[in-house]
Amino acid sequence: EAQVTQNPRYLITVTGKKLTVTCSQNMNHEYMSWYRQDPGLGLRQIYYSMNVEVTDKGDVPEGYKVSRKEKRNFPLILESPSPNQTSLYFCASSYLGGVSNTASLTDTQYFGPGTRLTVL
Amino acid sequence: AQTVTQSQPEMSVQEAETVTLSCTYDTSESDYYLFWYKQPPSRQMILVIRQEAYKQQNATENRFSVNFQKAAKSFSLKISDSQLGDAAMYFCAYCDRDDKIIFGKGTRLHILP
Repeated sequence: EAQVTQNPRYLITVTGKKLTVTCSQNMNHEYMSWYRQDPGLGLRQIYYSMNVEVTDKGDVPEGYKVSRKEKRNFPLILESPSPNQTSLYFCASSYLGGVSNTASLTDTQYFGPGTRLTVL
Repeated sequence: AQTVTQSQPEMSVQEAETVTLSCTYDTSESDYYLFWYKQPPSRQMILVIRQEAYKQQNATENRFSVNFQKAAKSFSLKISDSQLGDAAMYFCAYCDRDDKIIFGKGTRLHILP
């Protein structure tokens, strides 16, 4: 079954305690992305990756890190979480069409189930 | 910074009728892409229609079409012959040449039988 998995689904932590949210897809997608969803602000892109070892900042990258060492995995790392990072996080993946360096998302983005993070 | 605005949080339309969802955006770029995505409860973000900014012709996909007004920075989605399966959250999105995406806040569309 084609899917994007995220772990953990729920996490409560304290300020400053490093954490990692994992994301994995089994569709051999080139494009992977992290979003956060907040009431009244909608979906905002944190980081995205167009392929292995290629990552770029989205709209709200501050306080986050990512890595793309393998095509299927795209973990989101919060080195020192703060309460303003309390949010619902989604990982997504998609095929990329066309040549590189062109906006070429041509397919459905598959979203993971979400991770609800609370930072106290 | 680029922004995307969807001014209608919710809309309703009678089955078989036509509905238009509005989207405006702000950018200083001249070359970019615009998308409409549909998000059903499964949370997949299904690509409905895609418009390249350098193309003047409005994109169409079966019952879905857009009215792209580049000068006005407007990108509305028209759904003709609305069906019950069209009920979903619809997101307008702006994508720059480096594949960075910015989404609007979404419009929830209800289809009335």
